[in-house]
Amino acid sequence: DAGITQSPRYKITETGRQVTLMCHQTWSHSYMFWYRQDLGHGLRLIYYSAAADITDKGEVPDGYVVSRSKTENFPLTLESATRSQTSVYFCASSVQGNSPLHFGNGTRLTVT
Amino acid sequence: DQQVKQNSPSLSVQEGRISILNCDYTNSMFDYFLWYKKYPAEGPTFLISISSIKDKNEDGRFTVFLNKSAKHLSLHIVPSQPGDSAVYFCAAASSGGSYIPTFGRGTSLIVHP
Repeated sequence: DAGITQSPRYKITETGRQVTLMCHQTWSHSYMFWYRQDLGHGLRLIYYSAAADITDKGEVPDGYVVSRSKTENFPLTLESATRSQTSVYFCASSVQGNSPLHFGNGTRLTVT
Repeated sequence: DQQVKQNSPSLSVQEGRISILNCDYTNSMFDYFLWYKKYPAEGPTFLISISSIKDKNEDGRFTVFLNKSAKHLSLHIVPSQPGDSAVYFCAAASSGGSYIPTFGRGTSLIVHP
């Protein structure tokens, strides 16, 4: 089915572990984004990508790494997970800059 | 420092009445504004947008008003329905910033039958 999918939906990991959240979109949208949602903070941008092999930092990039070797995939890696990275992570895509974002259903990550 | 502020964490409205959700922004470079709706366990979905060249945009029961001088926008839902109960996020973007949106903290709307 066309759309944007995130996996896994739920993940529990331990402090210090590396974890990768996956995001895949079937629209061939140029732009892709990673946001985290925390109580009291709303949605905060972690990283975004304007095209394959082009990525840029958002508001809260520390502790995260992204890559975009293919247009349709935009994985987010936590190199050494910390408890402060417990959050709900949303991936999104848009066809161009001034287009609305299409969000995935999120990954709830718990770091113990 | 918050550039997009939604100062009301929650709003409760009776079915059939008007819901008004407010949003303020501080960055004068913002020229494109959007509202998203989010149900629990789902991602946000786009609702309506407005460019700074307009002061009003309407789509069915949803109308967004923009007051550039006050750096304020509002979303009106008329009439409100129980299915409108959700968290509403205001977002703002700048054409000079590649339209990367900055989101507010959200307002939880509850529409009572």
